[in-house]
Amino acid sequence: QSVLTQPPSVSGAPGQRVTISCSGSSSNIGAGYHVHWYQHLPGTAPKLLISSNSNRPSGVPDRFSGSQSGTSASLAITGLQAEDEADYYCQSYDSSLTRRVFGGGTKLTVL
Amino acid sequence: QVQLVESGGGVVQPGGSLRLSCAASGFPFSTHAMHWVRQAPGKGLEWVAVISSDGSNKYYRDAVKGRFTISRDNSKNTLYVQMNSLTTEDTAVYYCARQLVGTLSGLDYWGQGTLVTVSS
Repeated sequence: QSVLTQPPSVSGAPGQRVTISCSGSSSNIGAGYHVHWYQHLPGTAPKLLISSNSNRPSGVPDRFSGSQSGTSASLAITGLQAEDEADYYCQSYDSSLTRRVFGGGTKLTVL
Repeated sequence: QVQLVESGGGVVQPGGSLRLSCAASGFPFSTHAMHWVRQAPGKGLEWVAVISSDGSNKYYRDAVKGRFTISRDNSKNTLYVQMNSLTTEDTAVYYCARQLVGTLSGLDYWGQGTLVTVSS
């Protein structure tokens, strides 16, 4: 069981908005450690989508946005496109485990 | 452009050893902390280890402490992980990743991964 909890799957139709939640605790997100989000197509290199809760690296479309509140974080994708179908992971640092932690991953299906 | 290319994966028997390499190019390697992250078949991403930019600090997940050793050669722009006493639980695709400058920053570039299979 992952320290950061994500829904196993989410889905949406093209053009719609979806959100992926990442629930943590007082030893990671709630302690103020930043959350980073990655997009991963199995067999390929994961891609950094959002860094430090809400920063979009150069080249990432503004359809992707991140937010954090309390012990949770969220990734929002607007204007859903077929190419967004992938696995998404949140990642932070946990002070109890003294290491980086990933969420279990969320599979996004574009209907 | 930034490139990270892993090599050294393969099939190894339980109890065996393997050394993975990650050749970096397109950026000043010595200024970035580097990580190994793995993904077991059908599972999610799992952080393995990190080494600071100058190699002086290294951290590991508990499951690999004492068995894995992360290292780097900044003169060769190469990251390594020596994996000993391998078990079937270590079977995974291993990715090297570059950390953005800054403490606990995100991992902004990743390699394509190299598959390690531990099986008798």
